[in-house]
Amino acid sequence: EAQVTQNPRYLITVTGKKLTVTCSQNMNHEYMSWYRQDPGLGLRQIYYSMNVEVTDKGDVPEGYKVSRKEKRNFPLILESPSPNQTSLYFCASSFGGAKNIQYFGAGTRLSVL
Amino acid sequence: DQQVKQNSPSLSVQEGRISILNCDYTNSMFDYFLWYKKYPAEGPTFLISISSIKDKNEDGRFTVFLNKSAKHLSLHIVPSQPGDSAVYFCAAKEYGNKLVFGAGTILRVKS
Repeated sequence: EAQVTQNPRYLITVTGKKLTVTCSQNMNHEYMSWYRQDPGLGLRQIYYSMNVEVTDKGDVPEGYKVSRKEKRNFPLILESPSPNQTSLYFCASSFGGAKNIQYFGAGTRLSVL
Repeated sequence: DQQVKQNSPSLSVQEGRISILNCDYTNSMFDYFLWYKKYPAEGPTFLISISSIKDKNEDGRFTVFLNKSAKHLSLHIVPSQPGDSAVYFCAAKEYGNKLVFGAGTILRVKS
């Protein structure tokens, strides 16, 4: 089954404790992206990757890191989480192209205390 | 400044009637517009799209209309069904691959 898998689905942590949210896709997509969803703001892009070893900042990259060492994986790293990073996070992948139809994971709800 | 705006946070319609979800944008360089649907505890899923050179695209019960001069698009669902109850996101694609999303509209279809 074609899918984007994120783990964990739910995470509660404390300020300053490094964490990683994993994302994996099995569709051989070149393009991958991380978004955060906040009430009234919709989905905002954090980072994206056009291919292996190619990453770039989205609209809200501060406090986040990513890496793309393999085509299928695109982990999101919060080195020193803060309460303002409490949010719902989505990973997405696509072939790119004219429409860039993106396929989303089920989401990771993060709470930083 | 939000380039894609969905000004109605929620919409409630009766089963069988038409649902109209609206979206406004400011960037005339967007070349594609997409609608995504999201159920609770799931990720958004692609619903329908329209190119900036078209004014209408239809797929079953779903039709998207684009008015470029007004920088406005709308999603029509006819007839609405209870299973259509979800959050609907409007998204616009810039040159390249970036998608810019609106804040979403919660649709409730009452049976």
